[in-house]
Amino acid sequence: NAGVTQTPKFQVLKTGQSMTLQCAQDMNHEYMSWYRQDPGMGLRLIHYSVGAGITDQGEVPNGYNVSRSTTEDFPLRLLSAAPSQTSVYFCASSYEVGDRGGYTFGSGTRLTVV
Amino acid sequence: GESVGLHLPTLSVQEGDNSIINCAYSNSASDYFIWYKQESGKGPQFIIDIRSNMDKRQGQRVTVLLNKTVKHLSLQIAATQPGDSAVYFCAEFFNTGGFKTIFGAGTRLFVKA
Repeated sequence: NAGVTQTPKFQVLKTGQSMTLQCAQDMNHEYMSWYRQDPGMGLRLIHYSVGAGITDQGEVPNGYNVSRSTTEDFPLRLLSAAPSQTSVYFCASSYEVGDRGGYTFGSGTRLTVV
Repeated sequence: GESVGLHLPTLSVQEGDNSIINCAYSNSASDYFIWYKQESGKGPQFIIDIRSNMDKRQGQRVTVLLNKTVKHLSLQIAATQPGDSAVYFCAEFFNTGGFKTIFGAGTRLFVKA
């Protein structure tokens, strides 16, 4: 199994541009989430989904949108990129919310906004 | 507020020595903890977990200790190898009006050959 696949691995955007970070999992996990990782800080939750058609905001949702039309896919959209969104983004999944087995993470997308 | 932190941001050890990485947490309601390993350019990987009703759990070359009295978590790596070089961070899970996970910032472990 591929696990959690994120694309692209690297991206440079100009301020004001929009783009979508892709995330797909093949483990039939119900719970999927997006985190950003900034230097010196722990992972911070952006948005999450407990199943197809259901999404909710995390700790730092401003400037981002998500949708969950299928169990497998959970794209993250940057509406109008800002330099403050320069970060490494990780998608994670688990069987269910609160899964005590922990999360499976993708390999990340390194985003630079200039 | 709740926080998960690490006492040492960088740890350098000699190959073959034991490593100890520490983590402090502030939420007494946390009932589950995980240590993750993150190698450069990769996503975090699950290493070992422990529930709040335990004080010690052992895996292959790794041991996690939980001290709920002082809200402290540690990861011990035995006979540290060059392949252990990575960032290690802890995560706490709790359910107070909804499940929540808080991740620590991480400690970078350097293993000298």
